[in-house]
Amino acid sequence: DVKVTQSSRYLVKRTGEKVFLECVQDMDHENMFWYRQDPGLGLRLIYFSYDVKMKEKGDIPEGYSVSREKKERFSLILESASTNQTSMYLCASSFPRGQAQETQYFGPGTRLLVL
Amino acid sequence: SQQGEEDPQALSIQEGENATMNCSYKTSINNLQWYRQNSGRGLVHLILIRSNEREKHSGRLRVTLDTSKKSSSLLITASRAADTASYFCATDAAEYGNKLVFGAGTILRVKS
Repeated sequence: DVKVTQSSRYLVKRTGEKVFLECVQDMDHENMFWYRQDPGLGLRLIYFSYDVKMKEKGDIPEGYSVSREKKERFSLILESASTNQTSMYLCASSFPRGQAQETQYFGPGTRLLVL
Repeated sequence: SQQGEEDPQALSIQEGENATMNCSYKTSINNLQWYRQNSGRGLVHLILIRSNEREKHSGRLRVTLDTSKKSSSLLITASRAADTASYFCATDAAEYGNKLVFGAGTILRVKS
């Protein structure tokens, strides 16, 4: 079974802190994604990566950055956390299949509270 | 505006009844996927239907796709309390850079 793990289930941070959220997958997937999920808004794509050291902005990249130094690990960084970044953060991974997106496998999520 | 929008937003049924959720989208798609999310957890993939398919089954799940109406439906037959979850459709479309675009979801509650 594919396993996607996230470093924390719950996290409480102060405004202005630098926050690292880590995601690791064990299926040698090329693609990795970071989403945030807010009530009534569904999942919104923050950043994604199709290969090591490669990153692409998603729909809402402002206030975030990412790092992918190894194929299995994709980190989301909040450079200076703000209260409007309080949310559920979900990591996902997938194989590429031509140009189409195939099944994504999700981690359990990190619920971040910024005070 | 979102590519995929689910309807209804919330659904409450008795155990044993069927549950139907609908998804409408705006552009031509490569495929459409349905995911389930149990409370406070990550999403789990349920089923993928390609643009050239009209119907797919997986256990108690039946998904239909009508590309002329740009809509899909997910039917869960003989529902169980364990089916209580949020259900999301996600579309893969060239217009959106071949990234999955998720709807806001349908909250299903199955009462025992």
